[in-house]
Amino acid sequence: NAGVMQNPRHLVRRRGQEARLRCSPMKGHSHVYWYRQLPEEGLKFMVYLQKENIIDESGMPKERFSAEFPKEGPSILRIQQVVRGDSAAYFCASSPRDREAGELFFGEGSRLTVL
Amino acid sequence: LAKTTQPISMDSYEGQEVNITCSHNNIATNDYITWYQQFPSQGPRFIIQGYKTKVTNEVASLFIPADRKSSTLSLPRVSLSDTAVYYCLVVDGRYSTLTFGKGTMLLVSP
Repeated sequence: NAGVMQNPRHLVRRRGQEARLRCSPMKGHSHVYWYRQLPEEGLKFMVYLQKENIIDESGMPKERFSAEFPKEGPSILRIQQVVRGDSAAYFCASSPRDREAGELFFGEGSRLTVL
Repeated sequence: LAKTTQPISMDSYEGQEVNITCSHNNIATNDYITWYQQFPSQGPRFIIQGYKTKVTNEVASLFIPADRKSSTLSLPRVSLSDTAVYYCLVVDGRYSTLTFGKGTMLLVSP
Protein backbone atom coordinates (compact mmCIF):
# COMPACT_ATOMS: atom_id res chain seq x y z
CA ASN A 1 0.00 0.00 0.00
CA ALA A 2 1.79 3.09 -1.22
CA GLY A 3 2.06 6.02 1.13
CA VAL A 4 1.41 9.64 0.39
CA MET A 5 3.27 10.53 -2.79
CA GLN A 6 4.56 14.00 -3.39
CA ASN A 7 6.29 15.34 -6.47
CA PRO A 8 8.53 16.85 -7.35
CA ARG A 9 10.76 16.14 -4.36
CA HIS A 10 12.91 19.12 -5.25
CA LEU A 11 11.95 22.14 -7.29
CA VAL A 12 14.02 25.17 -8.19
CA ARG A 13 12.36 28.32 -9.44
CA ARG A 14 13.46 31.85 -10.15
CA ARG A 15 11.67 34.77 -8.60
CA GLY A 16 8.45 35.50 -10.43
CA GLN A 17 7.93 31.98 -11.77
CA GLU A 18 5.18 29.61 -10.76
CA ALA A 19 5.57 26.49 -8.63
CA ARG A 20 3.19 23.55 -8.72
CA LEU A 21 3.44 20.86 -6.09
CA ARG A 22 1.47 17.65 -6.39
CA CYS A 23 0.22 15.26 -3.76
CA SER A 24 -1.42 11.88 -4.22
CA PRO A 25 -3.01 10.72 -0.96
CA MET A 26 -2.88 7.19 0.32
CA LYS A 27 -5.34 4.83 -1.30
CA GLY A 28 -8.73 5.21 0.27
CA HIS A 29 -7.95 8.61 1.79
CA SER A 30 -10.22 11.47 0.87
CA HIS A 31 -8.78 14.23 3.06
CA VAL A 32 -5.64 16.14 2.15
CA TYR A 33 -3.69 18.69 4.17
CA TRP A 34 -0.81 20.93 3.16
CA TYR A 35 1.85 22.16 5.57
CA ARG A 36 4.88 24.36 5.10
CA GLN A 37 8.13 24.08 7.01
CA LEU A 38 10.64 26.88 6.89
CA PRO A 39 14.27 26.12 7.76
CA GLU A 40 14.74 25.51 11.48
CA GLU A 41 11.04 25.96 12.19
CA GLY A 42 8.04 23.78 12.86
CA LEU A 43 5.33 22.85 10.42
CA LYS A 44 2.70 25.44 9.68
CA PHE A 45 -0.75 24.39 8.56
CA MET A 46 -1.82 25.87 5.25
CA VAL A 47 -4.97 24.24 3.93
CA TYR A 48 -7.29 21.27 4.39
CA LEU A 49 -9.18 19.87 1.43
CA GLN A 50 -11.60 17.13 0.62
CA LYS A 51 -12.45 16.09 -2.93
CA GLU A 52 -13.52 19.24 -4.80
CA ASN A 53 -13.86 21.23 -1.57
CA ILE A 54 -11.65 23.48 0.47
CA ILE A 55 -12.59 22.87 4.10
CA ASP A 56 -10.13 25.12 5.91
CA GLU A 57 -7.70 27.53 4.29
CA SER A 58 -6.98 29.62 7.34
CA GLY A 59 -3.23 29.06 6.99
CA MET A 60 -2.94 30.03 3.36
CA PRO A 61 -1.31 33.34 2.49
CA LYS A 62 -3.93 35.65 1.04
CA GLU A 63 -2.13 36.17 -2.25
CA ARG A 64 -0.28 33.99 -4.75
CA PHE A 65 -1.14 30.68 -3.07
CA SER A 66 -3.95 28.35 -4.08
CA ALA A 67 -4.81 24.70 -3.62
CA GLU A 68 -7.17 22.24 -5.18
CA PHE A 69 -8.12 18.61 -4.85
CA PRO A 70 -10.10 17.65 -7.95
CA LYS A 71 -12.44 14.72 -8.28
CA GLU A 72 -9.78 12.91 -10.29
CA GLY A 73 -6.06 13.26 -9.86
CA PRO A 74 -3.74 14.60 -7.20
CA SER A 75 -4.08 17.61 -5.00
CA ILE A 76 -2.10 20.58 -6.24
CA LEU A 77 -0.58 23.44 -4.31
CA ARG A 78 0.15 26.33 -6.63
CA ILE A 79 2.38 29.27 -5.84
CA GLN A 80 2.36 32.10 -8.33
CA GLN A 81 5.13 34.67 -8.74
CA VAL A 82 7.37 32.98 -6.21
CA VAL A 83 9.63 35.02 -3.95
CA ARG A 84 12.69 33.95 -1.98
CA GLY A 85 10.63 33.73 1.20
CA ASP A 86 8.63 30.90 -0.37
CA SER A 87 11.68 28.64 -0.16
CA ALA A 88 10.64 25.88 2.19
CA ALA A 89 9.64 22.26 2.45
CA TYR A 90 6.00 21.68 1.65
CA PHE A 91 4.44 18.60 3.16
CA CYS A 92 1.21 16.95 2.22
CA ALA A 93 -0.70 14.66 4.54
CA SER A 94 -3.80 12.56 4.07
CA SER A 95 -6.34 10.78 6.19
CA PRO A 96 -9.34 8.55 5.58
CA ARG A 97 -12.88 9.73 6.07
CA ASP A 98 -13.16 8.06 9.44
CA ARG A 99 -9.92 8.26 11.37
CA GLU A 100 -8.46 8.56 14.78
CA ALA A 101 -8.26 12.18 15.76
CA GLY A 102 -4.73 13.42 15.20
CA GLU A 103 -3.44 10.65 12.96
CA LEU A 104 -2.32 12.00 9.63
CA PHE A 105 -0.05 10.29 7.13
CA PHE A 106 2.60 12.58 5.71
CA GLY A 107 4.51 12.44 2.47
CA GLU A 108 8.24 13.00 2.11
CA GLY A 109 7.76 16.62 1.15
CA SER A 110 8.60 18.85 -1.77
CA ARG A 111 11.50 21.19 -1.28
CA LEU A 112 11.14 24.47 -3.11
CA THR A 113 14.15 26.68 -3.66
CA VAL A 114 13.61 30.13 -5.08
CA LEU A 115 16.68 31.73 -6.61
CA LEU B 1 -6.32 25.52 20.75
CA ALA B 2 -4.32 24.42 23.77
CA LYS B 3 -0.73 25.56 23.58
CA THR B 4 2.04 23.05 24.26
CA THR B 5 5.45 23.60 25.80
CA GLN B 6 8.27 21.11 25.45
CA PRO B 7 12.07 21.29 25.74
CA ILE B 8 13.86 22.56 22.69
CA SER B 9 16.44 19.81 22.78
CA MET B 10 17.54 16.73 24.70
CA ASP B 11 20.65 14.57 24.60
CA SER B 12 20.86 10.88 25.37
CA TYR B 13 23.03 7.82 24.81
CA GLU B 14 22.25 4.57 23.13
CA GLY B 15 20.40 2.11 25.33
CA GLN B 16 18.99 4.72 27.69
CA GLU B 17 15.34 5.46 28.30
CA VAL B 18 14.31 8.91 27.19
CA ASN B 19 11.36 10.80 28.63
CA ILE B 20 10.14 13.95 26.91
CA THR B 21 7.62 15.95 28.88
CA CYS B 22 5.11 18.30 27.35
CA SER B 23 2.91 20.73 29.23
CA HIS B 24 -0.53 21.73 28.00
CA ASN B 25 -2.20 23.61 30.82
CA ASN B 26 -5.21 24.70 28.79
CA ILE B 27 -6.17 21.31 27.43
CA ALA B 28 -9.91 20.93 26.83
CA THR B 29 -12.28 18.04 27.36
CA ASN B 30 -12.39 17.13 23.65
CA ASP B 31 -8.61 17.22 23.21
CA TYR B 32 -6.31 14.27 22.64
CA ILE B 33 -2.55 14.28 23.17
CA THR B 34 -0.62 13.19 20.12
CA TRP B 35 3.07 12.78 19.38
CA TYR B 36 4.84 12.82 16.05
CA GLN B 37 8.43 12.05 15.07
CA GLN B 38 10.28 13.75 12.23
CA PHE B 39 13.61 12.68 10.79
CA PRO B 40 15.68 15.16 8.76
CA SER B 41 14.38 15.64 5.24
CA GLN B 42 11.30 13.51 5.90
CA GLY B 43 7.68 14.10 6.75
CA PRO B 44 6.40 13.68 10.32
CA ARG B 45 5.30 10.25 11.42
CA PHE B 46 2.56 9.56 13.94
CA ILE B 47 3.93 7.81 17.03
CA ILE B 48 1.25 7.60 19.68
CA GLN B 49 -1.90 9.20 20.94
CA GLY B 50 -3.78 9.14 24.21
CA TYR B 51 -6.53 10.77 26.21
CA LYS B 52 -5.68 9.81 29.78
CA THR B 53 -3.62 7.37 31.88
CA LYS B 54 -1.14 5.30 29.91
CA VAL B 55 -0.90 4.17 26.33
CA THR B 56 1.76 1.82 25.00
CA ASN B 57 2.59 0.60 21.52
CA GLU B 58 5.59 -1.01 19.86
CA VAL B 59 7.41 2.30 19.60
CA ALA B 60 6.73 4.26 22.77
CA SER B 61 4.64 4.80 25.87
CA LEU B 62 2.61 7.85 26.70
CA PHE B 63 1.90 8.79 30.29
CA ILE B 64 -0.89 11.25 31.04
CA PRO B 65 -1.70 12.25 34.64
CA ALA B 66 -5.24 12.63 35.85
CA ASP B 67 -5.35 16.41 35.37
CA ARG B 68 -4.10 16.00 31.77
CA LYS B 69 -2.14 19.23 31.99
CA SER B 70 1.04 17.47 30.94
CA SER B 71 2.14 14.28 29.25
CA THR B 72 5.37 12.32 28.94
CA LEU B 73 6.55 10.43 25.90
CA SER B 74 8.80 7.57 26.92
CA LEU B 75 11.18 5.93 24.46
CA PRO B 76 12.71 2.74 25.85
CA ARG B 77 16.34 1.92 25.06
CA VAL B 78 16.94 4.52 22.36
CA SER B 79 19.26 3.90 19.46
CA LEU B 80 21.09 6.28 17.13
CA SER B 81 18.20 6.03 14.71
CA ASP B 82 15.88 7.63 17.25
CA THR B 83 17.64 10.95 16.68
CA ALA B 84 14.81 13.14 15.44
CA VAL B 85 12.49 15.98 16.32
CA TYR B 86 9.55 14.96 18.49
CA TYR B 87 6.39 17.02 18.40
CA CYS B 88 3.74 17.10 21.11
CA LEU B 89 0.33 18.16 19.86
CA VAL B 90 -3.01 18.70 21.49
CA VAL B 91 -5.66 17.73 19.01
CA ASP B 92 -9.31 18.67 19.16
CA GLY B 93 -11.18 15.48 18.36
CA ARG B 94 -13.83 17.46 16.51
CA TYR B 95 -11.48 19.06 14.02
CA SER B 96 -9.04 17.70 11.52
CA THR B 97 -6.15 20.11 11.32
CA LEU B 98 -3.05 19.74 13.50
CA THR B 99 -0.97 22.55 14.94
CA PHE B 100 2.74 21.81 15.29
CA GLY B 101 5.14 23.69 17.52
CA LYS B 102 8.92 23.59 17.21
CA GLY B 103 9.25 20.21 18.88
CA THR B 104 12.09 18.66 20.85
CA MET B 105 15.28 17.80 19.03
CA LEU B 106 16.51 14.52 20.51
CA LEU B 107 20.13 13.67 19.82
CA VAL B 108 21.22 10.12 20.63
CA SER B 109 24.95 9.56 20.85
CA PRO B 110 26.97 6.34 20.88
